[in-house]
Parts: sequence; structure tokens; C-alpha cells
Amino acid sequence: EPEVTQTPSHQVTQMGQEVILRCVPISNHLYFYWYRQILGQKVEFLVSFYNNEISEKSEIFDDQFSVERPDGSNFTLKIRSTKLEDSAMYFCASSDADRAKETQYFGPGTRLLVL
Amino acid sequence: DAKTTQPPSMDCAEGRAANLPCNHSTISGNEYVYWYRQIHSQGPQYIIHGLKNNETNEMASLIITEDRKSSTLILPHATLRDTAVYYCIVSSGGSNYKLTFGKGTLLTVNP
Repeated sequence: EPEVTQTPSHQVTQMGQEVILRCVPISNHLYFYWYRQILGQKVEFLVSFYNNEISEKSEIFDDQFSVERPDGSNFTLKIRSTKLEDSAMYFCASSDADRAKETQYFGPGTRLLVL
Repeated sequence: DAKTTQPPSMDCAEGRAANLPCNHSTISGNEYVYWYRQIHSQGPQYIIHGLKNNETNEMASLIITEDRKSSTLILPHATLRDTAVYYCIVSSGGSNYKLTFGKGTLLTVNP
């Protein structure tokens, strides 16, 4: 069964450093998303991406964040200058064009720890 | 999107049916009910969704009341691996790109 994959599974970084989180969505999917979950809190929407551009973004997704689909398979989230409060699980998700966009398939997540 | 209300926690015996309720009294006519679950910090997992008819798939059944103000997710034979947080989400089926997660219901399946 096809699945969304994410790398790395864990990332530790120093405050102020740049990090890139990588995702490989399901191959025939056209809609891509990033969510995050701070420990003990709700899953929060960050951004959605379709046709090589951002469809919607939340207030969390400020100028420090960017997304890119550099090739036909990868979808990345970059945090330009990490802050302590960026420590969280980051989930990538994808959905296809034939089903409702809310039927999203999530990856296993990247646990980011900013020191 | 309409708000949802779920109990914070529920228990269920292994092998029994788990019935998870959700209230969505402000749901509008074009909004679907989606159910996801999250097993211990893993990525959320899609379970099922519906508009007004009851739905069933290999994982669960979804019962939506006639007035659509509430719904119940049914896991017919709960196993220990079904222990998870279950999220009921209301969204307008295709026009809204994001999922808005609440706190959900922590279902604990006991041996």
C-alpha cells in the first residue's frame, strides 16, 4: 500500500540554524500539506500546496518557513532560522484529485528538537 | 468550519464494539464529517467520512443522525491496536484545504 514517507525521523539543531524536512508524498497525489504538533498539544495546520504554489497557510507559517517541490517526488519544509518554540513533530500529508482534499494521508513525522 | 465536541476519553473492552460520539450541531449543508485517529504520536490516519448517509469501510462504520447534528464512529470489534486519539472533523468537502484538529477522544481498549 502506498504511503507518505518523511526524513529524517529525528532532527536536533541549534537555535538559529536552518533545517530542511523532507517528505515523499504518495506518487499520484497532487495536494500536499505540512502540519505540526507541539508535544501534548493539538495537530496544527501549517500550509497546503498545489500546482507548485501555496494554496493556504496558517498564521504560524511566517517568513521563516518555506515549502518547495524541487522535483517530481519530494516536498520540503524549510525553517530558515529555528527558534526554541519550533520544537515539535512535523507531519507531511498528501491527497489526490479524485477524492476530497480532506482525505489526507499522513507520514510518520519528523521530530524536531531545537536547543 | 463547524465546531465539534467529543468526550475527552473512553474505555472499551477488547473484542467489543467501540462507539465514539461527536456533536456538530452547527454543521452546514455542504460540510462533511471526517474521522481520523492518531496512535501515540504517529501521523494521523484517515478512517472514514460521510455527508448524510451512513458509511462503512474495512476499518469502521459512521452513523450520522438525520438532522446531521451528531455522528458516531463505530469500531465493530476493538483490538488493543485501536487504542488511539480519535478526531471528528467537519469540513466543506473539497473546498477547504486544511484539517482543523481538536483534542479528540482518547480511546483506550482494555484486555
